Amino acid sequence: KAGVTQTPRYLIKTRGQQVTLSCSPISGHRSVSWYQQTPGQGLQFLFEYFSETQRNKGNFPGRFSGRQFSNSRSEMNVSTLELGDSALYLCASSPKSYNSGANVLTFGAGSRLTVL
Amino acid sequence: GENVEQHPSTLSVQEGDSAVIKCTYSDSASNYFPWYKQELGKGPQLIIDIRSNVGEKKDQRIAVTLNKTAKHFSLHITETQPEDSAVYFCAAGFITQGGSEKLVFGKGMKLTVNP
Repeated sequence: KAGVTQTPRYLIKTRGQQVTLSCSPISGHRSVSWYQQTPGQGLQFLFEYFSETQRNKGNFPGRFSGRQFSNSRSEMNVSTLELGDSALYLCASSPKSYNSGANVLTFGAGSRLTVL
Repeated sequence: GENVEQHPSTLSVQEGDSAVIKCTYSDSASNYFPWYKQELGKGPQLIIDIRSNVGEKKDQRIAVTLNKTAKHFSLHITETQPEDSAVYFCAAGFITQGGSEKLVFGKGMKLTVNP
């Protein structure tokens, strides 16, 4: 069974640019969550999608957005990049149904973004 | 909102020793407590989890304990091996106002097991 796949694995951007990251969840998983990981802050929750709808959102500015497609694949976008956006962006999928409480996350390897 | 504190931030032990990682949480409504291990260049991997109706859970060399009254939970690794070297994250899960479950992570602890 394939795991969570994230692309690209590494990318370098400059300030002011925008970036789109992609996540393919485990087959059958309908929930996708995104996290930002930095050395000082650990894992910070960005947002969660279930059935193409955003269910939860963390405390990030509006420059961070996401979406989920009908096949459960998800993308996140960061516009007007800042130096502080340099981080590892992790996607995790879960088999849970909405309101089921069975929130066992399986993470991908992440997309390492460097902003220069 | 929920806040999860994790201590220590780094720990170095000799192979064969035990390691303990402690976490505290603030929201008494949290009911799910997973532990993740992250190796270099990889995403976090779930190693063990516990729900609030259970006080302790074991899986071979790892065990997790939960004290709901004190709102803290711990990961215990016995007979550590060099391959246990990684960053370990604890997390607390709770139900949001919207009815879905959200995880809040601690900041992680880097464990080094010296041969």
